Amino acid sequence: EDKVVQSPLSLVVHEGDTVTLNCSYEVTNFRSLLWYKQEKKAPTFLFMLTSSGIEKKSGRLSSILDKKELFSILNITATQTGDSAIYLCAVPLGGNEKLTFGTGTRLTIIP
Amino acid sequence: DTGVSQNPRHKITKRGQNVTFRCDPISEHNRLYWYRQTLGQGPEFLTYFQNEAQLEKSRLLSDRFSAERPKGSFSTLEIQRTEQGDSAMYLCASSSRSGFGANVLTFGAGSRLTVL
Repeated sequence: EDKVVQSPLSLVVHEGDTVTLNCSYEVTNFRSLLWYKQEKKAPTFLFMLTSSGIEKKSGRLSSILDKKELFSILNITATQTGDSAIYLCAVPLGGNEKLTFGTGTRLTIIP
Repeated sequence: DTGVSQNPRHKITKRGQNVTFRCDPISEHNRLYWYRQTLGQGPEFLTYFQNEAQLEKSRLLSDRFSAERPKGSFSTLEIQRTEQGDSAMYLCASSSRSGFGANVLTFGAGSRLTVL
């Protein structure tokens, strides 16, 4: 059965710390992996990864995919309180790009 | 374009009542998805439309749930005879098959249902 597993489930750090969030997957016909950030409402798109070893970066956020070991990490450096959110990892299944999500990592940044 | 719009944002209903949610996707997106999210869980897929055709339904979608997208634009999700277990956030998302951001789902803010 296809599955997406995220760890840790929750993480509390102080402002300025660096965090690493993990997402492992077991999916047939893997094509891509997506990261979303969810604050109180809509998940917002962060990154889509398709190739191993190529880092995607946006400001203090970066992500990389390892297709051999079947995982991805999301790094956030110099965390700010605005980074507090649930971070969701998802993999599209089937031809219609239906996303299967992990349970998410709840990140809390303490000022 | 203001993104994916959902309404109502919140709905409180009594068990046994029917509720309907509406989703207006990004205008040029031909794919539309409904998801359900409960506390502490990631969104779970419910159903998918390409234009007006409903192409896939999850086994999570019982007979009490029905979704439509009559003209390939907005969509409605109706829940009949609501149960307390239906309490959740119902998220709509849309995507385009081509162009920048192809296959990346854009989500609406969701409709939160509370069944008393």
